[in-house]
Amino acid sequence: AQKVTQAQTEISVVEKEDVTLDCVYETRDTTYYLFWYKQPPSGELVFLIRRNSFDEQNEISGRYSWNFQKSTSSFNFTITASQVVDSAVYFCALSELGAGANNLFFGTGTRLTVIP
Amino acid sequence: DADVTQTPRNRITKTGKRIMLECSQTKGHDRMYWYRQDPGLGLRLIYYSFDVKDINKGEISDGYSVSRQAQAKFSLSLESAIPNQTALYFCATSDLNAYNEQFFGPGTRLTVL
Repeated sequence: AQKVTQAQTEISVVEKEDVTLDCVYETRDTTYYLFWYKQPPSGELVFLIRRNSFDEQNEISGRYSWNFQKSTSSFNFTITASQVVDSAVYFCALSELGAGANNLFFGTGTRLTVIP
Repeated sequence: DADVTQTPRNRITKTGKRIMLECSQTKGHDRMYWYRQDPGLGLRLIYYSFDVKDINKGEISDGYSVSRQAQAKFSLSLESAIPNQTALYFCATSDLNAYNEQFFGPGTRLTVL
């Protein structure tokens, strides 16, 4: 079963619009971590945020904000006033501490295109 | 200098050739990982290593092998490359006590003709 689902394959918005990228996860662990990574056209993976399962406070960093809701197993990412430089593929990922590997389970990514 | 480096950055090879992708890190982390990325599939784990003497298969290890030569070096080999191994390969490292936050290398784009 897919542990991390990013149902939006591609999203296009016009510059300055707000956009929300959805992430739904599945786990039986009570302790886990959720991540968002950005992959710009150059290909590297850029870490954006880590959230642990005990901290449901939303977080804001500049134009970026994250909404973590354990009740719906979601960890959504909102970009406010989008810019062309936000165009990238965004990955949500889950790490379960109960599993042996402690590896990251990635969603399939959402490609965001911001149109000038 | 980058903390996690991968060589080569790009490689084109032919079916049946042996290929080695190398990863080095200066972060002092014990844990290292190899992932492949295919369009529409996200990143999938190939192998991981928790220390020099510990190597484990990931989700898609068939057709690959690894070597952990030192704490700082983790190599991925394709013994006989095939076209469906064409992908973007990432190496990553993490610290034992750092919530499994992983630090990724720049990636190696491999094309098998």
